[in-house]
Amino acid sequence: NAGVTQTPKFRILKIGQSMTLQCTQDMNHNYMYWYRQDPGMGLKLIYYSVGAGITDKGEVPNGYNVSRSTTEDFPLRLELAAPSQTSVYFCASRPGRNSGNTIYFGEGSWLTVV
Amino acid sequence: DAKTTQPTSMDCAEGRAANLPCNHSTISGNEYVYWYRQIHSQGPQYIIHGLKNNETNEMASLIITEDRKSSTLILPHATLRDTAVYYCIATNQAGTALIFGKGTTLSVSS
Repeated sequence: NAGVTQTPKFRILKIGQSMTLQCTQDMNHNYMYWYRQDPGMGLKLIYYSVGAGITDKGEVPNGYNVSRSTTEDFPLRLELAAPSQTSVYFCASRPGRNSGNTIYFGEGSWLTVV
Repeated sequence: DAKTTQPTSMDCAEGRAANLPCNHSTISGNEYVYWYRQIHSQGPQYIIHGLKNNETNEMASLIITEDRKSSTLILPHATLRDTAVYYCIATNQAGTALIFGKGTTLSVSS
């Protein structure tokens, strides 16, 4: 049981490039989340999903896209990377609402756009 | 939508109790209140969560008001290693999105 796995851990992108941050969980959780954390700031919700085929925007969705084709995977796509997207990205999952279970976080992906 | 309000920073002497408040007046009726902490840029670390009743585990205690609009995280005997940013997390009205507060930076000193 690996929990929530994020890849890559570190990445440097050039302005205008695109990339996908991968997030996989092996706990059969329905709810998954992507957050970004800028230096010295709190976590901001980018997108979330309550099940396969269902996604919704969070607080800061601009510049990102997501998909949820399976329960396990929730990739985050950056199109046309910009310096403002330099941040640490965290993926998280939980079974569902009212579950009373903890929220599981990945270890983070450090992204620098130059 | 969901919103949590926490003090920006707090200080605590080592060995004393640290009481961290959070207002979450928009929390969904059947959703839990979660508390996590973060040290530097590591992934958030679970502390405790609760629904209505007060909760206690090996790390902390959680006191939730009867109207569920606020809660207090209590670290009974703070140590230097408890210096971190503490986040109160609440859901939106639908109980789907998890919204972090801005967090409280707790500084424990000897």
